[in-house]
Amino acid sequence: GNSVTQMEGPVTLSEEAFLTINCTYTATGYPSLFWYVQYPGEGLQLLLKATKADDKGSNKGFEATYRKETTSFHLEKGSVQVSDSAVYFCALSDRGTDKLIFGTGTRLQVFP
Amino acid sequence: GAGVSQSPSNKVTEKGKDVELRCDPISGHTALYWYRQSLGQGLEFLIYFQGNSAPDKSGLPSDRFSAERTGGSVSTLTIQRTQQEDSAVYLCASSTGGPTEAFFGQGTRLTVV
Repeated sequence: GNSVTQMEGPVTLSEEAFLTINCTYTATGYPSLFWYVQYPGEGLQLLLKATKADDKGSNKGFEATYRKETTSFHLEKGSVQVSDSAVYFCALSDRGTDKLIFGTGTRLQVFP
Repeated sequence: GAGVSQSPSNKVTEKGKDVELRCDPISGHTALYWYRQSLGQGLEFLIYFQGNSAPDKSGLPSDRFSAERTGGSVSTLTIQRTQQEDSAVYLCASSTGGPTEAFFGQGTRLTVV
């Protein structure tokens, strides 16, 4: 079945450091891919998405590119801030069935 | 309401009791999802609905868990004979389906004592 694998955390960075959180997926067909974020004490919210191969999703300085050849959707940000500290979830939506499944989440901690 | 509403927000129950968790999705959203988030764990898929139908129930942990959705709107997740390992935050989300954003409720924190 479909699945999402993302790197384990926590990821600990200093402010202004470069961030990469790896995400790979297994799916039949061509799913849509998402990154969701859960800030401390808040609910999950969509960060960005990509619906087809080579699409790049971006928001709040974060980017991720849908790589069909490597079945990956890695999250990147050039310069993290303390306010980016949160748990980040990679997810895929099975095209045609609407089933939405998530990875295990990666906690990011950014220190000043 | 403007968002996904879940009730109760907190529930403490004794082992062996049954509990019902409610989710009110955003009006017009055809897809509705239930997940479980245990302390320090990721989002475990439980079940999802397209309208009132549940195409995939494979994530339900045991036959003590069941869910229904009526009128294409409200959904109820029922856990019978609760066990301590059922303690977790149960999250509900809804969307218009496909590659669209899923909106999450604040969750129900279930504690089985």
